[in-house]
Amino acid sequence: AQTVTQSQPEMSVQEAETVTLSCTYDTSESDYYLFWYKQPPSRQMILVIRQEAYKQQNATENRFSVNFQKAAKSFSLKISDSQLGDAAMYFCAYQLPNFGNEKLTFGTGTRLTIIP
Amino acid sequence: DSGVTQTPKHLITATGQRVTLRCSPRSGDLSVYWYQQSLDQGLQFLIQYYNGEERAKGNILERFSAQQFPDLHSELNLSSLELGDSALYFCASSTIQGARSNEQFFGPGTRLTVL
Repeated sequence: AQTVTQSQPEMSVQEAETVTLSCTYDTSESDYYLFWYKQPPSRQMILVIRQEAYKQQNATENRFSVNFQKAAKSFSLKISDSQLGDAAMYFCAYQLPNFGNEKLTFGTGTRLTIIP
Repeated sequence: DSGVTQTPKHLITATGQRVTLRCSPRSGDLSVYWYQQSLDQGLQFLIQYYNGEERAKGNILERFSAQQFPDLHSELNLSSLELGDSALYFCASSTIQGARSNEQFFGPGTRLTVL
């Protein structure tokens, strides 16, 4: 079974600085998706960024980028120019793309605090 | 706004009772997923429906059941409720293209409190 591990329960960063959240996963598959979801105090699950395993290029969405190391099974999220609105729980998630087997498997999350 | 709606937003009930949570997927999405999030934990997959049929099951208790109706809305039924069932229950929906699933869009969740 696939597992996702987030080893940092809490992180903090100064406003405007850069922070990196870590995620590792375990799988024997070669084709899969990885995601970072943000959950602010409103509890809404918001997709931050998505990476397809067969793409070597790291995904980027504005201030958010990932470092995807397939051989090491590592998928970290870098947030640049941190803003107060970035404060939230961040969840790493894994998904197989195959129809009927595409449940999301989540890590336990990292709570990110932004220091003004 | 993801386009996925869930009702009610909050539900408070007593142990031993039964509740029904409702989800309407985004327009055009045939797949519906239910997840449970307890006490600041990650989300746990419960069950998936596709176009009215059950497609995949996770660690869903026997006291829990779900269905997807012809209009594609889904309901999650929780019975004989226990204190430990208190959680945030999310519904998500997605489309399928060919044999590959697209990203899942989450509803705002239903907060269930069992007293």
